[in-house]
Amino acid sequence: DGGITQSPKYLFRKEGQNVTLSCEQNLNHDAMYWYRQDPGQGLRLIYYSQIVNDFQKGDIAEGYSVSREKKESFPLTVTSAQKNPTAFYLCASSFFTGDEQYFGPGTRLTVT
Amino acid sequence: GQQVMQIPQYQHVQEGEDFTTYCNSSTTLSNIQWYKQRPGGHPVFLIQLVKSGEVKKQKRLTFQFGEAKKNSSLHITATQTTDVGTYFCAGAEYGNKLVFGAGTILRVKS
Repeated sequence: DGGITQSPKYLFRKEGQNVTLSCEQNLNHDAMYWYRQDPGQGLRLIYYSQIVNDFQKGDIAEGYSVSREKKESFPLTVTSAQKNPTAFYLCASSFFTGDEQYFGPGTRLTVT
Repeated sequence: GQQVMQIPQYQHVQEGEDFTTYCNSSTTLSNIQWYKQRPGGHPVFLIQLVKSGEVKKQKRLTFQFGEAKKNSSLHITATQTTDVGTYFCAGAEYGNKLVFGAGTILRVKS
């Protein structure tokens, strides 16, 4: 069953801690993306990767880091430097940039 | 850089009424896509338009791509409660990544 998965669905952390969100896809897509969504708001691009071992900053990369060591995986680390990390985080993938994107179910992160 | 504007931000309609959301890009696009996000869910791809002036239909949904390939619209005829959610347009310049609009939140009163 092909798709894109994110785990966990809900995540709670204390302020000052780094946290890593998982994103895995078995769609053989080259491109992967991370978005942040705040309540009632649109999608803001954090980072994207067009190919393994390469990634670019999106519009709101400060306080976040990523890696793309495998085609299937694109984990996102929310660092303690991110001022307001509580949000809904969505991972997506596509065959190439500009193509239709498939989204994972998302991770709701709460930092207190 | 490329910007994609979407209006209205929010619309509340009576069930059975029509609904339209509009999308405008600051640059010419290679394609435009539409996504729907149900409350509490994730965005799901609806359709892609690539040709100037293209019109596509999916049941009660009609999608249009402008002649200049800089604007698009999504029209829903006779809304139902299952139509509630946020509708996003997303446009890509040639060779570039998708840029999403801010979305239109649709609420339907039954």
